[in-house]
Amino acid sequence: EVQLLESGGDLVQPGKSLRISCAASGFTFGRYGMSWVRQAPGKGLEWVSSISASGASTYYGDSVKGRFTISRDKSRDTVYLQMDGLRSEDTAVYFCARGAGIAVPEDFFDYWGQGTQVTVSS
Amino acid sequence: SYVVTQPPSVSVAPGQTAKITCGGDRIGTKSVHWYQQKPGQAPVLVVHDDSDRPSGIPERFSGSNSGNMATLTINWVEAGDEADYYCHVWDGGNNQVVIFGGGTKLTVL
Repeated sequence: EVQLLESGGDLVQPGKSLRISCAASGFTFGRYGMSWVRQAPGKGLEWVSSISASGASTYYGDSVKGRFTISRDKSRDTVYLQMDGLRSEDTAVYFCARGAGIAVPEDFFDYWGQGTQVTVSS
Repeated sequence: SYVVTQPPSVSVAPGQTAKITCGGDRIGTKSVHWYQQKPGQAPVLVVHDDSDRPSGIPERFSGSNSGNMATLTINWVEAGDEADYYCHVWDGGNNQVVIFGGGTKLTVL
């Protein structure tokens, strides 16, 4: 059974940093691209970032480009999102999602985690 | 950048057909995917690549895509179908970004 378990969400002050994680299980991690999608309170879905199956290619939405960094650790079957220079508008639930194949970020997302809450506030 | 537009809300009586649209410039040339999200839960893929259904999704859910409009159709709507629905496309031009529609709240009367 495919499982994606996010962790690391927290309350942080504006300008600070936070790293969230997504532990994957139930599939061959290295064969799939992975992505982060967020949802602000009462709002819709917003794509944040994607990483290819190999980790060689990364992609970012305009609102986080230059501040967030996606990475993956094949030895731990885990994908990370390093968030620097956090702003109040980054407050959201962050979902980890598996791409249907290796062709990120073009692929649809076939499995999603339950999300981790990130709150940016002083 | 590419923009897709969904109606904020659609209402339908049980047993009827719901149609949720996703409009965009020549969207028929792109692959459109649809997700269902119930309150407090993660999104669930219900249709991918315009009209393909993942395993476990009822045949009542179907999709189409042509011209400037993609449509998610839910036949014989049930109370359990009440949720937010999002369309998703890939803008593979100069921008190379994933686009979600703003979401449509389906209310079952």
